[in-house]
Amino acid sequence: GDSVTQTEGLVTLTKGLPVMLNCTYQTTYSPFLFWYVQHLNEAPKLLLKSSTDNKRTEHQGFYATLHKSSSSFHLQKSSVQLSDSALYFCALSEDNAGAKLTFGGGTRLTVRP
Amino acid sequence: NAGVIQTPRHKVTGKGQEATLWCEPISGHSAVFWYRQTIVQGLEFLTYFRNQAPIDDSGMPKERFSAQMPNQSHSTLKIQSTQPQDSAVYLCASSLGDWGDQDTQYFGPGTRLLVL
Repeated sequence: GDSVTQTEGLVTLTKGLPVMLNCTYQTTYSPFLFWYVQHLNEAPKLLLKSSTDNKRTEHQGFYATLHKSSSSFHLQKSSVQLSDSALYFCALSEDNAGAKLTFGGGTRLTVRP
Repeated sequence: NAGVIQTPRHKVTGKGQEATLWCEPISGHSAVFWYRQTIVQGLEFLTYFRNQAPIDDSGMPKERFSAQMPNQSHSTLKIQSTQPQDSAVYLCASSLGDWGDQDTQYFGPGTRLLVL
């Protein structure tokens, strides 16, 4: 079956530094990849999504590129802010954007002053 | 647009009691998904409906859990004979369900279930 791996469970950074959160996946289907962000006691919200190989997608200063050759969709930001502190989930759906999501374990990002 | 509405937001039940969780999808959305979130297991898919029809319940525990979507404006997740291991945040999401590349799941705030 499908799987998504996020290698970092917890990342702590100082404001203004760059960040990269890793995401790799396994599927036999044509993948759609997503990043969701969940702030404390809130619903997960879509941050980015992509199904196009080697095309960078950006939103709210975050960006990611789907690389099908390495089955990766890492999330990056050049300068983190205090408000970026949250739980970040990478997720995968098969064949289309509307199918059920398979989530990675999540990475908690904490940004300190 | 009120977003996905889930009620109750918090529910405490005793072991062996029944719990019913409600979800109202965004108006016009034809797909409704249920997920469960725990610290240990993370976010897990349970089941989903499209145009009120059950499509995939591969994530549902085979016993005690059931889901319905009697009309396009709400879905319910019922847990019979609740056990402490059922304690989790149950998230409902809805999407247009048009199979298009722009389709996106929008999540509700969740129902936090605690089984004592």
